[in-house]
Amino acid sequence: SQQGEEDPQALSIQEGENATMNCSYKTSINNLQWYRQNSGRGLVHLILIRSNEREKHSGRLRVTLDTSKKSSSLLITASRAADTASYFCATDRSNDYKLSFGAGTTVTVRA
Amino acid sequence: KAGVTQTPRYLIKTRGQQVTLSCSPISGHRSVSWYQQTPGQGLQFLFEYFSETQRNKGNFPGRFSGRQFSNSRSEMNVSTLELGDSALYLCASSLGGSVTGELFFGEGSRLTVL
Repeated sequence: SQQGEEDPQALSIQEGENATMNCSYKTSINNLQWYRQNSGRGLVHLILIRSNEREKHSGRLRVTLDTSKKSSSLLITASRAADTASYFCATDRSNDYKLSFGAGTTVTVRA
Repeated sequence: KAGVTQTPRYLIKTRGQQVTLSCSPISGHRSVSWYQQTPGQGLQFLFEYFSETQRNKGNFPGRFSGRQFSNSRSEMNVSTLELGDSALYLCASSLGGSVTGELFFGEGSRLTVL
């Protein structure tokens, strides 16, 4: 079963708008990672946030982590058509060195 | 530096056959992980190899197996193929292991079982 679940499943926004997606997980984790996948291709790493961190930035990306709520959010600011992709969160449980991916959020950025 | 290379990119097999997929990691990376991606089940962890040893395994039947060579290249094998094995198989490499940092993914091998 998957450790992480993204919400929403799909998101459609206008170019220039912000996109926010959430990831919830079930058990304690060491790290949480976000990946992007363009249609049918390999995944690309976006950002890793450790369990003792609350917020991290990378360019137009902002990730937050709330371990008390077992949730994370990914914010993409000023979206571009090239941001159209599926976004996955991946978690590793504290006692289990496997990386588990959520089902993903499909983001469509309209020009 | 070259990325993760997976071969073949596409293949079609029939039920009952077996298939071998290959993954060449980024130079210097000792960890190789394999994932199966399907529309219904999403990304499912198959196994991870580190320095030729299987470090972790997902919940897949014994028909799915893998190995890693001394040069860190990895292969996975699926025997007695079933229709449900149709999927995109993704390989990822990393320096220290899948949970310690960034995974670098290949473009995948898309397997169709008829």
